[in-house]
Amino acid sequence: DAGVTQSPTHLIKTRGQQVTLRCSPKSGHDTVSWYQQALGQGPQFIFQYYEEEERQRGNFPDRFSGHQFPNYSSELNVNALLLGDSALYLCASSRRDRPSYGYTFGSGTRLTVV
Amino acid sequence: KNEVEQSPQNLTAQEGEFITINCSYSVGISALHWLQQHPGGGIVSLFMLSSGKKKHGRLIATINIQEKHSSLHITASHPRDSAVYICAVRSEVGSQGNLIFGKGTKLSVKP
Repeated sequence: DAGVTQSPTHLIKTRGQQVTLRCSPKSGHDTVSWYQQALGQGPQFIFQYYEEEERQRGNFPDRFSGHQFPNYSSELNVNALLLGDSALYLCASSRRDRPSYGYTFGSGTRLTVV
Repeated sequence: KNEVEQSPQNLTAQEGEFITINCSYSVGISALHWLQQHPGGGIVSLFMLSSGKKKHGRLIATINIQEKHSSLHITASHPRDSAVYICAVRSEVGSQGNLIFGKGTKLSVKP
């Protein structure tokens, strides 16, 4: 049973560019949450998707947007990249009807903005 | 002040030592998670607690809801336990609430 798959694993972009990160949730999970982890810090919540809609959002600007597809996979898009967007982006999946089952995390996408 | 505080930030131990990592939080929670993150970045869920104590192998996690405090213990530590250990809480506001993370404790176990 595959866990959470994220792609790509590493990415280098230039300031001002746009980037799309992808996440496939664990089989049986229907909810996807995205987190940003700066170096030496704990992850920060970006947003959560369920039933193809953004359900909750953290304190991130509108440059950060997302999408969830009918197969529950999700994308995170970041426009007008800034140097400060360099971080590890983590995806976590869960079952909305079984919060006691917890979360499964992906290995992350390391984004470097130069 | 962060809503989730961990201590210590860094911890170096000799192989075989008993290790304790602490987590204090200031919000109402529906669950607390202990997570392990290796240098590559991937996060593994170790425990999810809402009360009491859980044990898995050499790892033990406890939580005191009244004191808003949790501890992660590692018995007979081994160099392969070297990793960053992160405490995260799920707020009471909606059972699907997002996780609030501590900054992590970097553990290094020397042979």
